[in-house]
Amino acid sequence: GQSLEQPSEVTAVEGAIVQINCTYQTSGFYGLSWYQQHDGGAPTFLSYNALDGLEETGRFSSFLSRSDSYGYLLLQELQMKDSASYFCAVRTGANNLFFGTGTRLTVIP
Amino acid sequence: NAGVTQTPKFQVLKTGQSMTLQCAQDMNHNSMYWYRQDPGMGLRLIYYSASEGTTDKGEVPNGYNVSRLNKREFSLRLESAAPSQTSVYFCASSGAVQGYGYTFGSGTRLTVV
Repeated sequence: GQSLEQPSEVTAVEGAIVQINCTYQTSGFYGLSWYQQHDGGAPTFLSYNALDGLEETGRFSSFLSRSDSYGYLLLQELQMKDSASYFCAVRTGANNLFFGTGTRLTVIP
Repeated sequence: NAGVTQTPKFQVLKTGQSMTLQCAQDMNHNSMYWYRQDPGMGLRLIYYSASEGTTDKGEVPNGYNVSRLNKREFSLRLESAAPSQTSVYFCASSGAVQGYGYTFGSGTRLTVV
């Protein structure tokens, strides 16, 4: 079977840094993606890592280690608007994106 | 605005009724997808279409059918709705130039009673 594990909930203080981890076990691996979803909204693409290492996009960074089947999303300078659910997703095939169950991030003042 | 448009946004069906969810994208993407999202769970792939004229089953295809009408449009049909199909349905499209990122529509909240 296929599985992605990420924490169900994380709470962090405004202005701080938070890391959301994701470990995966899948039948195929092309890359790891991260999506943000606000309550009642649609998932929004944040990042994609096909190779090992760190990808930085503004306040958000994503890391991948294929040998460890592990990745993380790093959010810096947290803002209240960052409160949302964050999903890691593994591209298991050309047109297959397998999602984790999501991490609900709550940013507190 | 460019993106993925889904209709309707909300729908209530009685058990056994049928309906079609519509999806259209204007980004010239080849690939389109239908996902469902249930509370506490991630998104699960129902069907996808890698290109115009092709469709394939995803993780949870039972009870659904799809049609890729043209490059822009990809519809999802429930022939005989069941309470287990109560969910939020998202359509998405993707192009490789986005770094394989999917663009999602705003979703359809379906309740089957």
